[in-house]
Amino acid sequence: EAGVAQSPRYKIIEKRQSVAFWCNPISGHATLYWYQQILGQGPKLLIQFQNNGVVDDSQLPKDRFSAERLKGVDSTLKIQPAKLEDSAVYLCASSFPPTFGPGTRLTVT
Amino acid sequence: AQSVSQHNHHVILSEAASLELGCNYSYGGTVNLFWYVQYPGQHLQLLLKYFSGDPLVKGIKGFEAEFIKSKFSFNLRKPSVQWSDTAEYFCAVRLTSGTYKYIFGTGTRLKVLA
Repeated sequence: EAGVAQSPRYKIIEKRQSVAFWCNPISGHATLYWYQQILGQGPKLLIQFQNNGVVDDSQLPKDRFSAERLKGVDSTLKIQPAKLEDSAVYLCASSFPPTFGPGTRLTVT
Repeated sequence: AQSVSQHNHHVILSEAASLELGCNYSYGGTVNLFWYVQYPGQHLQLLLKYFSGDPLVKGIKGFEAEFIKSKFSFNLRKPSVQWSDTAEYFCAVRLTSGTYKYIFGTGTRLKVLA
């Protein structure tokens, strides 16, 4: 069974720029999560999808972050504009319990 | 608010020493409990899980955890650690009502000396 795929693996941008991350979950998994992991902290849930509907986005900074899951499969997470404090690893996971992808390490300078 | 606490942020052990990592959660309802491990340069991986039944749960690589409901704890143990256990360990709680969200602890970084 293929795992959760994420791209890019690394991204460096300047503050106020925009960035997008892509996730392809394990085939057939209805639940998809985006987590933010800041250095030295545990993963923090940003948004949870069930198929293409949002289950929980209570911790998503909606003034700058957005996410969508088209057709209940792939998902994209966007940050616009980025701030220095957005530097973190962005993790995508699917299934229950969550199976994690490799993450995207974002550095905002 | 619900939270998960891991009191040991860094642990250093010699090979063959016994390991116990603490995890406490704050939530009054029923929970599912998990331990994840992240080896250097690798993804977060599920180590073990507890849903119900026997509070002593065995996972991969000789790890086990015990759920003590009265203490809101789910401590991870291993009788004899190996150098290859060097990793970061995260405790997680899944709420069984509302949005069924997962909440992770801040992690414990374990270093095992050969």
